[in-house]
Amino acid sequence: EVQLVESGGGLVQPGRSMKLSCAASGFTFNNYDMAWVCQAPKKGLEWVATISYDGSSTYYRDSVKGRFTISRDNAKSTLYLQMDSLRSEDTATYYCARHPYYGYNSWGQGTLVTVSS
Amino acid sequence: DIVMTQGALPNPVPSGESASITCQSSKSLLHSNGKTYLNWYLQRPGQSPQLLIYWMSTRASGVSDRFSGSGSGTDFTLKISSVEAEDVGVYYCQQFLEYPTFGGGTKLELK
Repeated sequence: EVQLVESGGGLVQPGRSMKLSCAASGFTFNNYDMAWVCQAPKKGLEWVATISYDGSSTYYRDSVKGRFTISRDNAKSTLYLQMDSLRSEDTATYYCARHPYYGYNSWGQGTLVTVSS
Repeated sequence: DIVMTQGALPNPVPSGESASITCQSSKSLLHSNGKTYLNWYLQRPGQSPQLLIYWMSTRASGVSDRFSGSGSGTDFTLKISSVEAEDVGVYYCQQFLEYPTFGGGTKLELK
């Protein structure tokens, strides 16, 4: 069974950093691109970043470029999202998702990040 | 960015009736390979989203055949035949032709 388990969320002050993790199991992690998708409270879904299966390529939405870094450790089957210079508008639940070429076919349960002083 | 615009449903939908959700893209999602890069997801209350339909009309693994997707390059429809309680939630369309963008969501409530 495919499992994606996010961790690392919580309350953080504006301007500070936070690192999210997503532990994957039940599939061959290094065969898949992976993505982070966020959802602000009571709002819709927004793509955040994508990383290729081998980590060689990364892509970001404009609003997080230069502040967020997606990475992966294939030996540990773990996906990461380093978030720096956090803003109140980054407050959201962050989901990791498995990303075959056609879409996001497995999602984690999400981890809530609250940016507030 | 490609903008995705979803229509509303005349909620609540009577159980057993069909429901159609519309989605429009600001640019054609038809790729040169002949595939249309339009996906549908369902987010049930309190749950993570799940993939229902990809490439506009291909059902994801394990998805009921009550769900069907159709459309053209810019106008799309998700049809749910014989709506059941487990279909309640928010439906999102998503384009995958360029950097992914989602529609604002369409809520389905059951009568």
